[in-house]
Amino acid sequence: AQKVTQAQTEISVVEKEDVTLDCVYETRDTTYYLFWYKQPPSGELVFLIRRNSFDEQNEISGRYSWNFQKSTSSFNFTITASQVVDSAVYFCALGDNNDMRFGAGTRLTVKP
Amino acid sequence: EADIYQTPRYLVIGTGKKITLECSQTMGHDKMYWYQQDPGMELHLIHYSYGVNSTEKGDLSSESTVSRIRTEHFPLTLESARPSHTSQYLCASSVGVWNSPLHFGNGTRLTVT
Repeated sequence: AQKVTQAQTEISVVEKEDVTLDCVYETRDTTYYLFWYKQPPSGELVFLIRRNSFDEQNEISGRYSWNFQKSTSSFNFTITASQVVDSAVYFCALGDNNDMRFGAGTRLTVKP
Repeated sequence: EADIYQTPRYLVIGTGKKITLECSQTMGHDKMYWYQQDPGMELHLIHYSYGVNSTEKGDLSSESTVSRIRTEHFPLTLESARPSHTSQYLCASSVGVWNSPLHFGNGTRLTVT
């Protein structure tokens, strides 16, 4: 069955710390897509990144980086030198031939 | 910039009332979705559509209905609102099916008294 697990419910860090948000997924499909979304306090969900199951290259975009490892079924998200504006709920999602399923989200609080 | 619009932004309504939450997108996306979310919590898929005249039920036990008469419009109707319907409702659209990122609206925060 398709499943996305974000084991960290809440994380609190101090500004400039690095933080990693974990995402573990389950699917029977060999072709699938993984996503990260950000939901700031304003409430709108914003798409951050998509990876397909055949592309295990890590990606870096500014202070954000993503580590996709099929061997451990994980797609972790790291924020380097966190800022207060990074405070939000972050959702990992899995899309395969059957469904698009979201994890329960990780609430990140970055304190000044 | 918002290409997917939800109205109203906030709604307070009494038990038993019929309500329709509006969602429109200007991107020409075939796929549209409704999610229910308590603020900052897990998203639950309640309805989705592959295109005009297509509607499907999601995971959450549906006490609501949707219609898709036009590509750009995907309204959600609650025939008889109950306090358990108090939540945030998010509309989204995408180009592809499950391989495309979703574009979300700002949501409708519904309170049923």
